Amino acid sequence: NAGVMQNPRHLVRRRGQEARLRCSPMKGHSHVYWYRQLPEEGLKFMVYLQKENIIDESGMPKERFSAEFPKEGPSILRIQQVVRGDSAAYFCASSPDRAGLGSGNTIYFGEGSWLTVV
Amino acid sequence: SQQGEEDPQALSIQEGENATMNCSYKTSINNLQWYRQNSGRGLVHLILIRSNEREKHSGRLRVTLDTSKKSSSLLITASRAADTASYFCVAGSARQLTFGSGTQLTVLP
Repeated sequence: NAGVMQNPRHLVRRRGQEARLRCSPMKGHSHVYWYRQLPEEGLKFMVYLQKENIIDESGMPKERFSAEFPKEGPSILRIQQVVRGDSAAYFCASSPDRAGLGSGNTIYFGEGSWLTVV
Repeated sequence: SQQGEEDPQALSIQEGENATMNCSYKTSINNLQWYRQNSGRGLVHLILIRSNEREKHSGRLRVTLDTSKKSSSLLITASRAADTASYFCVAGSARQLTFGSGTQLTVLP
């Protein structure tokens, strides 16, 4: 059973371009979470999605960032008109069901996508 | 991949008591982080301790790190019902984070 797959692992974009990060959850998982980690900082929650639904986007910047998790295919985190401050590691995680206390479900993280904006 | 391990996997205490959770890891690290997760929500960063630090405090939280044993502990003092959550340790190196599976803490009122 393959783990959470993220691609690309490394992405370089010039300021103003668009970045698309993809996340394929583990097989059988319908819940996806995106996190961002700035250098020397902890993971910061961005968005939580189920298939075709955004459940919690309280951590998403108001502009330029969007996420989707279509019925078919991977979840996509899209960053439009990237700026240098967007340079970070972006982690995706998945769980088979609503993860957390009492659910017995563990969140499994991908290895991350490192975005560098030049 | 998940290579870190939290101990215990589940912990139930009374409000006001202290809660101690332990974490072991396998890789060399630059830092170790503890996160909290409420049911169905994303991870919330609690505290980061660098590999050259041995102890760190933040409010009711106290974290220790023993790099020779590749272990860390998180102590929550004077626990509250609102502390009920899952707690994860995250061992960080330059380009890789390894995650524990979490300790489920229940604080009974």
